[in-house]
Amino acid sequence: EVQLLESGGGLVQPGGSLRLSCAASGFTFSSYGLSWTRQAPGKGLEWVSLIYGDTGGTYYADSVRGRFTISRDTSKNMLYLHMNSLRADDTAVYYCARFGSGYSLDQWGQGTLVTVSS
Amino acid sequence: QSALTQPPSASGSPGQSVTISCTGTSSDVGAYNYVSWYQQHPGKAPKLMIYEVTKRPSGVPDRFSGSKSGNTASLTVSGLQAEDEADYYCSSFGGRNNLIFGGGTKLTVL
Repeated sequence: EVQLLESGGGLVQPGGSLRLSCAASGFTFSSYGLSWTRQAPGKGLEWVSLIYGDTGGTYYADSVRGRFTISRDTSKNMLYLHMNSLRADDTAVYYCARFGSGYSLDQWGQGTLVTVSS
Repeated sequence: QSALTQPPSASGSPGQSVTISCTGTSSDVGAYNYVSWYQQHPGKAPKLMIYEVTKRPSGVPDRFSGSKSGNTASLTVSGLQAEDEADYYCSSFGGRNNLIFGGGTKLTVL
């Protein structure tokens, strides 16, 4: 069974940093692309970042480029999102998800809440 | 790139059909057959319902179907059931190693 389990969310002050983690199991980790998607309270989904399984290439939404860094540890089956210079509008539930066919996100974690507030 | 455009709400009675639209541009929805649809119940993670415009993952009822014409994709839910009441989001590959989501549609089963 595929499982994705996020952790690391919490309350952080504006300008602060946080690292989110996503523990993956039940599939060949290095063979799949992975993504972070967020959802602000009461709002819709917003794609944040992706890392390709084969090349490890990384890409970001304009809203986080230069502040967030996606990475993975294939030896531990872990996905990370390093978030710097956090702003109030980064407040959201952050989901990690696995890429399936056709840039679909076929498996999702349960999400972790990040709150940026003083 | 801007978010894809979805109607904020849709509704139907049990047993009826409802269609939700998702409008993009010739650079995203119109350019690729990489449109997906997700169902999200309150407090839950999204669930993939349709991928590559028309394909259903294993376990998704065949009451859910997808289509595309030009820059607009559509999700049709036939034979509405109470458990179909949820938020629905479309997404498309944006062509620049990015994903674009729609704003979401709240489906109400009357």
